[in-house]
Amino acid sequence: AQKVTQAQTEISVVEKEDVTLDCVYETRDTTYYLFWYKQPPSGELVFLIRRNSFDEQNEISGRYSWNFQKSTSSFNFTITASQVVDSAVYFCALSEGGSQGNLIFGKGTKLSVKP
Amino acid sequence: DAGVTQSPTHLIKTRGQQVTLRCSPKSGHDTVSWYQQALGQGPQFIFQYYEEEERQRGNFPDRFSGHQFPNYSSELNVNALLLGDSALYLCASSVKNRGEAFFGQGTRLTVV
Repeated sequence: AQKVTQAQTEISVVEKEDVTLDCVYETRDTTYYLFWYKQPPSGELVFLIRRNSFDEQNEISGRYSWNFQKSTSSFNFTITASQVVDSAVYFCALSEGGSQGNLIFGKGTKLSVKP
Repeated sequence: DAGVTQSPTHLIKTRGQQVTLRCSPKSGHDTVSWYQQALGQGPQFIFQYYEEEERQRGNFPDRFSGHQFPNYSSELNVNALLLGDSALYLCASSVKNRGEAFFGQGTRLTVV
């Protein structure tokens, strides 16, 4: 069965620190997509990245970077030089097959960045 | 370009009542999915609508039903409300089988 595990429930850092959010997934499919979403207190889920199972290249977008490793079924997210505005709950999600309709979410990691 | 919009933003209902939540997808999107997010948990998939039909369904009872209109907007109906139905209900839109899902701000439903 498919499953997403975010073992870190809460993380607190001081501004400018680097922080890595862990995500481990389980799936029997060979074709799947992985996602990261940010949920600020307003409630809306903000899309950050999508990665398909055939693309293991790491990606960097500004202060954000993602490390996808199929060998360990992990898709970790690193924020470099964190800022107070990065404070939010971050969710990792998985969808199987070609469809992206049914997203399986982890329980989320609450990140608090203190000034 | 308007994103995904949901209404109402907050709602209080009494146990046993029925509720309807509404969602307008992002412009150009034709697929709508609904999720339930309990406090402190990740969203859980309820169902997905495409071409006015339910295409996928998660592990939710028949009390949860939906509809998609020709303009791609969608409704989520919940009958015989239970206290456990209290949650944030999120709508997401996408283009069928491609692209990421964009989420609305959600409807906070409280059942008392």
